[in-house]
Amino acid sequence: EVQLVESGGGLVQPGRSLKLSCAASGFTFSNYYMAWVRQAPKKGLEWVATISTSGSRTYYPDSVKGRFTISRDNAKSSLYLQMNSLKSEDTATYYCARRGEGPDYWGQGVMVTVSS
Amino acid sequence: DVVLTQTPPTLSATIGQSVSISCRSSQSLLHSNGNTYLNWLLQRPGQPPQLLIYLVSRLESGVPNRFSGSGSGTDFTLKISGVEAEDLGVYYCVQSTHAPWTFGGGTKLELK
Repeated sequence: EVQLVESGGGLVQPGRSLKLSCAASGFTFSNYYMAWVRQAPKKGLEWVATISTSGSRTYYPDSVKGRFTISRDNAKSSLYLQMNSLKSEDTATYYCARRGEGPDYWGQGVMVTVSS
Repeated sequence: DVVLTQTPPTLSATIGQSVSISCRSSQSLLHSNGNTYLNWLLQRPGQPPQLLIYLVSRLESGVPNRFSGSGSGTDFTLKISGVEAEDLGVYYCVQSTHAPWTFGGGTKLELK
């Protein structure tokens, strides 16, 4: 059974940093592109970052480019999202997702609240 | 970026009723490899999204066959043939043919 379990969320002040983790199991992690998608409270879904199977290629929307860094450790079947210079508009539930034929499996999500 | 427009934004249905949701894309979602990367997701209250349909019409394992997807190019439809109580929530279409992934605005299915 495919499982994705996020951790690392919480309350953080504007301008500070936070690192999210996603532990994967039930599939060959190194064979899949992985992504982070977020959902602000009562809002829709927004793609945040994607990483290739080896980690050599990463992709971001302009809204987080230069502030967020996606990475992975295939030996540990883990995905990460380093978030720096956080803003109030980054407040959201963050999901890690596997890219099969498009986003297929999703984690339960982790809440990040940016507030003073 | 590709814009996906979902209609209607809200759908009221009775148990057993059949309903359809439309997802219209600002450009063709046919990939150069011949696939069309258009998926449908359901997000139940308080839950993460779950995959229902991938590649326009392929039913994800374990998803009831009352769900079906159709369409091509820029116009796509999700149909539920006989709504059940567990189907309530927000439905999203998502495309991954063109970078970046983009999502429709969602359709909330509620009981009438």
